[in-house]
Amino acid sequence: GNSVTQMEGPVTLSEEAFLTINCTYTATGYPSLFWYVQYPGEGLQLLLKATKADDKGSNKGFEATYRKETTSFHLEKGSVQVSDSAVYFCAPGEGGSEKLVFGKGTKLTVNP
Amino acid sequence: DADVTQTPRNRITKTGKRIMLECSQTKGHDRMYWYRQDPGLGLRLIYYSFDVKDINKGEISDGYSVSRQAQAKFSLSLESAIPNQTALYFCATSDFGENEQFFGPGTRLTVL
Repeated sequence: GNSVTQMEGPVTLSEEAFLTINCTYTATGYPSLFWYVQYPGEGLQLLLKATKADDKGSNKGFEATYRKETTSFHLEKGSVQVSDSAVYFCAPGEGGSEKLVFGKGTKLTVNP
Repeated sequence: DADVTQTPRNRITKTGKRIMLECSQTKGHDRMYWYRQDPGLGLRLIYYSFDVKDINKGEISDGYSVSRQAQAKFSLSLESAIPNQTALYFCATSDFGENEQFFGPGTRLTVL
């Protein structure tokens, strides 16, 4: 089945810093790719997604591009805010199934 | 109102007790999932159901059982709870043919 490797945290940044969280995956075929975010005390919610090669998902200033050649889906944001403090999960779809495979999560803390 | 609800939100129990966690959804989705979240391990799939008559084991089903009472309801049971089942449990749903999953707020379970 598919697998995913996500940058380990925790990551601590100052407000307005640039953020990159790396995510690479192994998969058969070309799965849909997702980033989920978990704010403190809450469940996971979809942050952005991409369904085919070279697609760019974006939401709330975050972006990630589906890179077929490098099987990567890195999350970026140009200027983080304190409110972005959360745990971020990369999740490719599992080939031949409607399941998702979740990375271990990266905890981001943004300080004022 | 939330689309995916979980009850209880918090539960403390003792080793050997039987526990049931409940999940309900109003999204009309066929697919439902149970995950557990542990620090540093991300989300791991316990059981999933693609319709009322379809139940499948995930990667960590030992010690758990499930019941799909209706399209909208999917319960997770711990027949005899043990301390290493202390975790945050999430229910999720998805629509037919889609990878995107929608999560409940989670149940924090502590087994003493």
